[in-house]
Amino acid sequence: QKEVEQNSGPLSVPEGAIASLNCTYSDRGSQSFFWYRQYSGKSPELIMFIYSNGDKEDGRFTAQLNKASQYVSLLIRDSQPSDSATYLCAVNQEGGSEKLVFGKGTKLTVNP
Amino acid sequence: GAVVSQHPSWVICKSGTSVKIECRSLDFQATTMFWYRQFPKQSLMLMATSNEGSKATYEQGVEKDKFLINHASLTLSTLTVTSAHPEDSSFYICSASSHGTSGTSYEQYFGPGTRLTVT
Repeated sequence: QKEVEQNSGPLSVPEGAIASLNCTYSDRGSQSFFWYRQYSGKSPELIMFIYSNGDKEDGRFTAQLNKASQYVSLLIRDSQPSDSATYLCAVNQEGGSEKLVFGKGTKLTVNP
Repeated sequence: GAVVSQHPSWVICKSGTSVKIECRSLDFQATTMFWYRQFPKQSLMLMATSNEGSKATYEQGVEKDKFLINHASLTLSTLTVTSAHPEDSSFYICSASSHGTSGTSYEQYFGPGTRLTVT
């Protein structure tokens, strides 16, 4: 059973701080890694994807991937109250499948 | 990013009736679309994978005769909930797969979802 694990939280950070969200996955053959943001009552929105080991930065967001440790993280710098949402980690299955396995999500609250 | 639409955004129907939900990729062709269901405060549950021109692949425990999926074109997939019952009330979300920037990867973009209430 391929699994993606996330700390369910809630994770609470003050406005302006760095929020760090973590995810581990069990399928060593996974090649693509995604972070989605889901506001309450809304559908998930793709905010970052990463395919290679290392860091990938996009604005205030940085995704980090370590395939040897089967670990992917998302850093949000200068957190804003509007970042308060549930963040879903998703990993594709072995062989480059389009099908994703989702974690249960980490609820982030940014306090003004 | 790629845009996916869903219609209707919400629907209320009576028990025993059928409801059709449409999912469209607006600015790209999607060979694969996915249908998810999400109950309040729970995680996404994949129901089925839909490929254009072929039968959908259902996840274990999902009744294919109850949840009919048709993927008629590269931009349209439909989910029909047949003989709906109150326990089918949920948030149904589709996603469409777009070929990624790396050449071999795919990125999944979600529609806004359809909230179904069966009375």
